[in-house]
Amino acid sequence: DAGITQSPRHKVTETGTPVTLRCHQTENHRYMYWYRQDPGHGLRLIHYSYGVKDTDKGEVSDGYSVSRSKTEDFLLTLESATSSQTSVYFCAISGATGNTEAFFGQGTRLTVV
Amino acid sequence: TQLLEQSPQFLSIQEGENLTVYCNSSSVFSSLQWYRQEPGEGPVLLVTVVTGGEVKKLKRLTFQFGDARKDSSLHITAAQPGDTGLYLCRGAGSYQLTFGKGTKLSVIP
Repeated sequence: DAGITQSPRHKVTETGTPVTLRCHQTENHRYMYWYRQDPGHGLRLIHYSYGVKDTDKGEVSDGYSVSRSKTEDFLLTLESATSSQTSVYFCAISGATGNTEAFFGQGTRLTVV
Repeated sequence: TQLLEQSPQFLSIQEGENLTVYCNSSSVFSSLQWYRQEPGEGPVLLVTVVTGGEVKKLKRLTFQFGDARKDSSLHITAAQPGDTGLYLCRGAGSYQLTFGKGTKLSVIP
């Protein structure tokens, strides 16, 4: 199994509070991604990173920010959590774009009440 | 963003039946991947197809990439309960690796 871990695995938080999810990899892969998965919507890209301090927005980036200060860590922050951000969040890594396999973490189930 | 449409969205079949699911787009992809996701887990890669018209087999699963590299199909022969899961296709052509919404397959014993 690829060395990718997400923390926490489950979290319940209140509306309006900031939340940070962590993705840690031991594969030294260049690319890291944050997705959210919701019924009827599939996997939607929030943000991605193509190197340390190099990040860009995906299709559903509003209300989220990311940081990558080290190759191995990619943080996703919900600046002020809302109920619409209740979801399962997946981190993925890949060595390159294109044909390269993407490896996924086990997901973080976030509930905003 | 390049859109991938997967069909059907849901499929429930009896063990032993055959099935085909589809992944279609109006965009051309340099390659296309199929992933399977089981409940509570992240997606796992099944196959990557690169050449138009390519056919790859993985035991009872047959994957085909369209000649124009805009669509793909996954055929399962004699489905088994272990095939149950969400099947996702992913197109590669840019940084923004795009996934279809998936086909949720249930194989009933």
